Amino acid sequence: EIVLTQSPDTLSLSPGERATLSCRASQSVSSNYLGWYQQIPGQAPRLLIYGTSSRATGIPNRFSGSGSGTDFTLTISRLEPEDFAVYYCQQYGTSPYTFGQGTKLEIK
Amino acid sequence: QVQLVESGGDLVKPGGSLRLSCAASGFTFSDYYMTWMRQAPGKGLEWVSYISSSGNTIHYADSVKGRFTISRDNAKNSLYLQMNSLRAEDTAVYYCARNLGDCWGQGTLVTVSS
Repeated sequence: EIVLTQSPDTLSLSPGERATLSCRASQSVSSNYLGWYQQIPGQAPRLLIYGTSSRATGIPNRFSGSGSGTDFTLTISRLEPEDFAVYYCQQYGTSPYTFGQGTKLEIK
Repeated sequence: QVQLVESGGDLVKPGGSLRLSCAASGFTFSDYYMTWMRQAPGKGLEWVSYISSSGNTIHYADSVKGRFTISRDNAKNSLYLQMNSLRAEDTAVYYCARNLGDCWGQGTLVTVSS
Protein backbone atom coordinates (compact mmCIF):
# COMPACT_ATOMS: atom_id res chain seq x y z
CA GLU A 1 0.00 0.00 0.00
CA ILE A 2 1.08 3.59 -0.58
CA VAL A 3 2.05 5.32 2.66
CA LEU A 4 1.50 9.08 2.80
CA THR A 5 3.59 11.10 5.24
CA GLN A 6 2.50 14.65 5.98
CA SER A 7 4.74 17.35 7.39
CA PRO A 8 4.83 19.08 9.68
CA ASP A 9 2.56 17.39 12.21
CA THR A 10 1.66 20.81 13.61
CA LEU A 11 2.06 24.20 11.98
CA SER A 12 1.69 27.37 14.08
CA LEU A 13 0.99 30.51 12.09
CA SER A 14 -0.89 33.80 12.39
CA PRO A 15 -3.85 34.99 10.33
CA GLY A 16 -2.65 36.64 7.15
CA GLU A 17 0.44 34.43 6.88
CA ARG A 18 1.11 31.85 4.17
CA ALA A 19 0.83 28.14 5.01
CA THR A 20 2.66 25.37 3.18
CA LEU A 21 1.72 21.77 3.96
CA SER A 22 3.59 18.80 2.54
CA CYS A 23 2.50 15.27 1.64
CA ARG A 24 5.08 12.70 0.56
CA ALA A 25 4.15 9.30 -0.87
CA SER A 26 6.13 6.08 -0.49
CA GLN A 27 5.70 5.46 -4.22
CA SER A 28 4.45 7.44 -7.17
CA VAL A 29 0.77 8.40 -7.03
CA SER A 30 -0.99 7.14 -10.12
CA SER A 31 -2.22 9.89 -12.45
CA ASN A 32 -1.54 12.41 -9.69
CA TYR A 33 -4.77 11.29 -8.01
CA LEU A 34 -4.07 13.21 -4.82
CA GLY A 35 -6.63 15.13 -2.79
CA TRP A 36 -6.62 17.40 0.24
CA TYR A 37 -9.28 17.64 2.94
CA GLN A 38 -9.93 20.09 5.74
CA GLN A 39 -11.49 18.93 9.00
CA ILE A 40 -12.72 21.22 11.71
CA PRO A 41 -13.14 19.45 15.09
CA GLY A 42 -16.58 17.88 15.43
CA GLN A 43 -17.32 18.15 11.71
CA ALA A 44 -17.01 15.88 8.71
CA PRO A 45 -14.05 16.47 6.42
CA ARG A 46 -14.45 18.80 3.45
CA LEU A 47 -12.79 18.27 0.10
CA LEU A 48 -10.51 21.16 -0.85
CA ILE A 49 -8.39 19.90 -3.74
CA TYR A 50 -8.64 16.91 -6.09
CA GLY A 51 -6.40 15.72 -8.87
CA THR A 52 -3.42 17.44 -7.15
CA SER A 53 -4.39 20.97 -8.15
CA SER A 54 -8.12 21.35 -8.92
CA ARG A 55 -10.17 23.23 -6.36
CA ALA A 56 -13.43 21.62 -5.29
CA THR A 57 -16.69 23.50 -5.69
CA GLY A 58 -16.93 26.56 -3.48
CA ILE A 59 -13.33 26.47 -2.25
CA PRO A 60 -11.70 29.93 -2.09
CA ASN A 61 -8.79 30.58 -4.41
CA ARG A 62 -6.41 31.15 -1.49
CA PHE A 63 -6.19 27.33 -1.42
CA SER A 64 -3.95 25.78 -4.06
CA GLY A 65 -2.39 22.40 -4.63
CA SER A 66 0.69 21.37 -6.53
CA GLY A 67 3.13 18.52 -7.00
CA SER A 68 3.62 15.29 -8.88
CA GLY A 69 4.94 11.78 -8.45
CA THR A 70 5.67 11.45 -4.75
CA ASP A 71 5.75 15.05 -3.50
CA PHE A 72 2.67 17.20 -3.09
CA THR A 73 1.93 20.53 -1.46
CA LEU A 74 -1.13 22.38 -0.22
CA THR A 75 -0.66 26.14 0.01
CA ILE A 76 -2.96 28.59 1.73
CA SER A 77 -1.90 32.01 0.52
CA ARG A 78 -3.27 34.20 3.33
CA LEU A 79 -4.69 32.48 6.38
CA GLU A 80 -8.17 33.38 7.52
CA PRO A 81 -9.38 32.56 11.06
CA GLU A 82 -11.61 29.77 9.71
CA ASP A 83 -8.64 28.01 8.09
CA PHE A 84 -7.22 26.77 11.38
CA ALA A 85 -8.08 23.07 11.29
CA VAL A 86 -6.58 19.67 10.50
CA TYR A 87 -5.62 18.91 6.90
CA TYR A 88 -5.32 15.46 5.34
CA CYS A 89 -3.98 14.34 2.01
CA GLN A 90 -5.31 11.19 0.33
CA GLN A 91 -4.18 9.24 -2.71
CA TYR A 92 -6.88 7.56 -4.76
CA GLY A 93 -4.84 6.25 -7.63
CA THR A 94 -4.08 2.83 -6.17
CA SER A 95 -6.25 0.77 -3.85
CA PRO A 96 -6.17 0.92 -0.83
CA TYR A 97 -6.83 4.66 -1.06
CA THR A 98 -4.70 5.81 1.84
CA PHE A 99 -4.68 9.00 3.88
CA GLY A 100 -1.80 10.86 5.44
CA GLN A 101 -1.73 11.21 9.22
CA GLY A 102 -2.81 14.86 9.09
CA THR A 103 -1.30 18.28 9.75
CA LYS A 104 -2.83 20.42 12.46
CA LEU A 105 -2.78 24.11 11.54
CA GLU A 106 -3.04 26.13 14.72
CA ILE A 107 -3.09 29.81 15.57
CA LYS A 108 0.22 31.17 16.79
CA GLN B 1 -28.87 20.02 -2.19
CA VAL B 2 -26.62 16.98 -1.96
CA GLN B 3 -27.21 15.14 1.30
CA LEU B 4 -25.88 11.93 2.79
CA VAL B 5 -27.31 10.62 6.06
CA GLU B 6 -25.74 7.66 7.82
CA SER B 7 -27.53 5.50 10.36
CA GLY B 8 -27.11 2.21 12.17
CA GLY B 9 -24.23 3.01 14.50
CA ASP B 10 -24.47 1.43 17.93
CA LEU B 11 -22.63 -0.20 20.82
CA VAL B 12 -21.83 -3.81 19.95
CA LYS B 13 -19.79 -6.54 21.64
CA PRO B 14 -16.58 -7.89 20.10
CA GLY B 15 -17.41 -10.53 17.53
CA GLY B 16 -20.79 -8.99 16.87
CA SER B 17 -22.32 -7.60 13.68
CA LEU B 18 -23.81 -4.32 12.58
CA ARG B 19 -25.24 -2.93 9.36
CA LEU B 20 -24.74 0.72 8.50
CA SER B 21 -26.91 2.56 6.00
CA CYS B 22 -26.41 5.77 4.09
CA ALA B 23 -29.40 7.53 2.51
CA ALA B 24 -28.53 9.77 -0.42
CA SER B 25 -30.53 12.64 -1.87
CA GLY B 26 -30.07 15.69 -4.06
CA PHE B 27 -28.17 13.91 -6.84
CA THR B 28 -28.49 10.95 -9.19
CA PHE B 29 -27.18 8.25 -6.85
CA SER B 30 -26.81 5.63 -9.56
CA ASP B 31 -24.31 7.82 -11.45
CA TYR B 32 -21.75 7.89 -8.67
CA TYR B 33 -19.39 5.49 -6.98
CA MET B 34 -19.54 5.64 -3.21
CA THR B 35 -17.12 5.22 -0.36
CA TRP B 36 -17.09 4.40 3.35
CA MET B 37 -14.46 5.98 5.55
CA ARG B 38 -13.94 5.97 9.27
CA GLN B 39 -12.22 7.89 12.02
CA ALA B 40 -11.33 6.37 15.37
CA PRO B 41 -11.72 8.69 18.37
CA GLY B 42 -8.96 11.30 18.32
CA LYS B 43 -7.31 9.70 15.28
CA GLY B 44 -6.97 10.38 11.57
CA LEU B 45 -9.07 9.33 8.62
CA GLU B 46 -9.06 5.79 7.24
CA TRP B 47 -10.52 4.73 3.89
CA VAL B 48 -12.61 1.56 4.36
CA SER B 49 -14.32 0.54 1.12
CA TYR B 50 -15.41 1.67 -2.32
CA ILE B 51 -18.18 0.51 -4.65
CA SER B 52 -18.66 1.52 -8.27
CA SER B 53 -21.89 3.05 -9.54
CA SER B 54 -23.18 -0.29 -10.79
CA GLY B 55 -21.83 -2.26 -7.86
CA ASN B 56 -19.61 -4.36 -10.11
CA THR B 57 -16.31 -3.09 -8.73
CA ILE B 58 -15.55 -3.18 -5.01
CA HIS B 59 -12.40 -2.57 -3.01
CA TYR B 60 -11.67 -2.95 0.70
CA ALA B 61 -8.95 -1.86 3.09
CA ASP B 62 -6.87 -4.80 4.29
CA SER B 63 -8.01 -4.10 7.85
CA VAL B 64 -11.65 -4.98 7.02
CA LYS B 65 -11.31 -7.41 4.10
CA GLY B 66 -13.23 -10.61 4.74
CA ARG B 67 -15.24 -9.05 7.57
CA PHE B 68 -17.03 -6.08 5.99
CA THR B 69 -19.25 -6.06 2.91
CA ILE B 70 -20.23 -2.94 0.99
CA SER B 71 -23.37 -2.90 -1.12
CA ARG B 72 -25.83 -0.47 -2.66
CA ASP B 73 -29.44 -0.30 -3.80
CA ASN B 74 -29.71 2.27 -6.57
CA ALA B 75 -33.51 2.01 -6.57
CA LYS B 76 -33.53 3.12 -2.93
CA ASN B 77 -30.66 5.62 -3.24
CA SER B 78 -28.93 3.80 -0.43
CA LEU B 79 -25.46 2.56 0.46
CA TYR B 80 -24.75 -0.12 3.05
CA LEU B 81 -21.88 -1.53 5.07
CA GLN B 82 -22.36 -4.94 6.66
CA MET B 83 -19.80 -5.33 9.43
CA ASN B 84 -19.17 -8.78 10.91
CA SER B 85 -16.64 -10.12 13.43
CA LEU B 86 -16.28 -6.65 14.90
CA ARG B 87 -13.18 -5.80 16.92
CA ALA B 88 -12.36 -3.07 19.41
CA GLU B 89 -10.19 -1.41 16.77
CA ASP B 90 -13.25 -0.97 14.55
CA THR B 91 -14.58 1.62 17.01
CA ALA B 92 -14.93 4.82 14.99
CA VAL B 93 -17.22 7.32 13.40
CA TYR B 94 -18.17 5.89 10.01
CA TYR B 95 -18.76 8.29 7.14
CA CYS B 96 -20.24 7.63 3.74
CA ALA B 97 -19.00 9.85 0.94
CA ARG B 98 -19.83 10.46 -2.69
CA ASN B 99 -17.07 9.52 -5.10
CA LEU B 100 -13.92 9.55 -3.03
CA GLY B 101 -15.05 12.42 -0.85
CA ASP B 102 -16.57 15.38 -2.67
CA CYS B 103 -19.49 15.19 -0.26
CA TRP B 104 -19.65 13.52 3.16
CA GLY B 105 -22.38 12.60 5.59
CA GLN B 106 -22.27 13.63 9.23
CA GLY B 107 -21.15 10.18 10.35
CA THR B 108 -22.48 7.46 12.63
CA LEU B 109 -20.63 6.15 15.70
CA VAL B 110 -19.81 2.48 16.04
CA THR B 111 -18.48 1.38 19.41
CA VAL B 112 -17.16 -2.15 19.88
CA SER B 113 -16.79 -2.96 23.55
CA SER B 114 -17.75 -5.63 26.04
